[in-house]
Amino acid sequence: EVQLVESGGGLVQPGGSLKLSCVASGFTFSGSAMHWVRQASGKGLEWVGRIRSKTNSYATAYAASVKGRFTISRDDSKNMVYLQMNSLKTEDTAVYYCTRAVHQDYWGQGTLVTVSS
Amino acid sequence: DIQMTQSPSSLSASIGDRVTITCRASQGISNDLAWFQQKPGKAPKSLIYAASSLQNGVPSKFSGSGSGTDFTLTISSLQPEDFATYYCQQYSSYPLTFGGGTKVEIK
Repeated sequence: EVQLVESGGGLVQPGGSLKLSCVASGFTFSGSAMHWVRQASGKGLEWVGRIRSKTNSYATAYAASVKGRFTISRDDSKNMVYLQMNSLKTEDTAVYYCTRAVHQDYWGQGTLVTVSS
Repeated sequence: DIQMTQSPSSLSASIGDRVTITCRASQGISNDLAWFQQKPGKAPKSLIYAASSLQNGVPSKFSGSGSGTDFTLTISSLQPEDFATYYCQQYSSYPLTFGGGTKVEIK
């Protein structure tokens, strides 16, 4: 059974940093691209970014709204993907989901990030 | 960026109704389209990928069609568990983009 479990969310002040983690199981993690998607309360879904597999040079891509502030990385030995978020803004407040593959076939349960003073 | 426009943004339907949701892309995306269902307080769930391919375990009352710029999601006979918000997403090019969602409510 495919499982994705996010952690690391919490309350952070504007300008601060936070690192989210997602642990994967039930599939060949090293061969899969992994994505992050977020959803502000009462709003729609917004794609944040992705990291490809080693075969694809761990290539990353980001939404314009987070480019230069957020960094996605992975540790295939631990089946983990990370989202490092710097220079956080109030508009980054959202539930952050870890998802698998370009068509997002599996989703974690999400972790809430609140950016507020 | 490719804009995804869903319609309607909400609809009211009765148990047993056939429901159709439309998604339009601002440029051609071949069949690189997915549909998701989201219930309140839950993570989205993948229903369909490649415009018409059903994810494993998704009941056959859900179907998708379309190619290019115009796509539809159809629920053949609405059941209580189908009341939710539905999103389309294109994955033809980056950044990946979602439609604004369609909330399906009970009439």
